[in-house]
Amino acid sequence: DVKVTQSSRYLVKRTGEKVFLECVQDMDHENMFWYRQDPGLGLRLIYFSYDVKMKEKGDIPEGYSVSREKKERFSLILESASTNQTSMYLCASSLWDRGEEKLFFGSGTQLSVL
Amino acid sequence: QQPVQSPQAVILREGEDAVINCSSSKALYSVHWYRQKHGEAPVFLMILLKGGEQKGHEKISASFNEKKQQSSLYLTASQLSYSGTYFCGTESLGGTYKYIFGTGTRLKVLA
Repeated sequence: DVKVTQSSRYLVKRTGEKVFLECVQDMDHENMFWYRQDPGLGLRLIYFSYDVKMKEKGDIPEGYSVSREKKERFSLILESASTNQTSMYLCASSLWDRGEEKLFFGSGTQLSVL
Repeated sequence: QQPVQSPQAVILREGEDAVINCSSSKALYSVHWYRQKHGEAPVFLMILLKGGEQKGHEKISASFNEKKQQSSLYLTASQLSYSGTYFCGTESLGGTYKYIFGTGTRLKVLA
């Protein structure tokens, strides 16, 4: 089974702190994604990466950066956390299977910024 | 641009049918459907790539219209296990890997 692992299920941080959210996948997937999920807004794409050291902005990249030094690991960085970044963060990786691409999601990190 | 999903929420009795729609203002490369149960990760249901395509997965099926701007998810004879939030994910023409999701449809099936 494909496994996408997010390092923390719950995280509480203070305003202004630098926050690292880690995501690891074990299936050698090329593409990885970071979304945030907020009630009524669905899943919004922050950043994605289609190769090591490659990154592309999603729809809401402001206040975030990412790092992909190794294929299996995709990190989301909040340079200076703010209260409006309190959210559920979901990491995903994708697999091409018989001409179709599927996203596999991690269980999410619920981040609270106080 | 985020696709528009409708309805936002639906409540069904076991055995009833439901349709969830997903619309884009532009033609798409693909549309995905996912289901997320409360407190869990979204899980892939199916992907549609071709205009006019219809695809089924047990009693859950989906269609993609000819213009590739609208997709519908059909839930037939719903079961309690169908409860959750359904998301459509879209990819723009050109296959950019940039998957944009709708706002979700909350579906609750009652006994």
